[in-house]
Amino acid sequence: EAAVTQSPRNKVAVTGGKVTLSCNQTNNHNNMYWYRQDTGHGLRLIHYSYGAGSTEKGDIPDGYKASRPSQENFSLILELATPSQTSVYFCASGDHRVTGQLYFGEGSKLTVL
Amino acid sequence: GQQVQQSPTSLVLQEGENAELQCNFSTSLNSMQWFYQRPGGSLVSVFYNPSGTKQSGRLTSTTVIKERRSSLHISSSQITDSGTYLCAMDRANYGNEKITFGAGTKLTIKP
Repeated sequence: EAAVTQSPRNKVAVTGGKVTLSCNQTNNHNNMYWYRQDTGHGLRLIHYSYGAGSTEKGDIPDGYKASRPSQENFSLILELATPSQTSVYFCASGDHRVTGQLYFGEGSKLTVL
Repeated sequence: GQQVQQSPTSLVLQEGENAELQCNFSTSLNSMQWFYQRPGGSLVSVFYNPSGTKQSGRLTSTTVIKERRSSLHISSSQITDSGTYLCAMDRANYGNEKITFGAGTKLTIKP
């Protein structure tokens, strides 16, 4: 069974602070994604990666950085967190060469005060 | 505007009724997927459907790529079907990248 694990699951941060959300996948998938989910917006793509060392901007990258140090790990970094970044963040992995399906983590709820 | 439009936004049915969810895409796409999300939970792929009709139990997905639309039909709905159903499209020619989601249809099945 494909597995995507996110940490932390819940995080409270202060405005201006640095936040790092981590994602680990054991699927050996090349592609990994970070989305945020807000009421009325569905999931919006922040950053994604084709493999270790690569990061690409998604549809709403402003205020976020990403890091893919290995096949298994993909991090989302908020250097200066703002209240507008309060949201639920989902990580996903996928490999179109195999099934085309996406596998999601359980989500990380971030509150920026 | 939104590239992925889902309708209806919400749907309330009695247990046993059939549900029909729609997804329309404003741009060309390579493939699409349907996901189920339980309240407060993660997303699980229901169908990966590049084209045509797929069935799994009481769920049937029909995608017509050329017409940029897809539907999800749930027959004889059950209370456990309640949750949010999201569709997503893959815009890339080579698959599984830049996947864009709709806002979802919230389905509530009442006893």
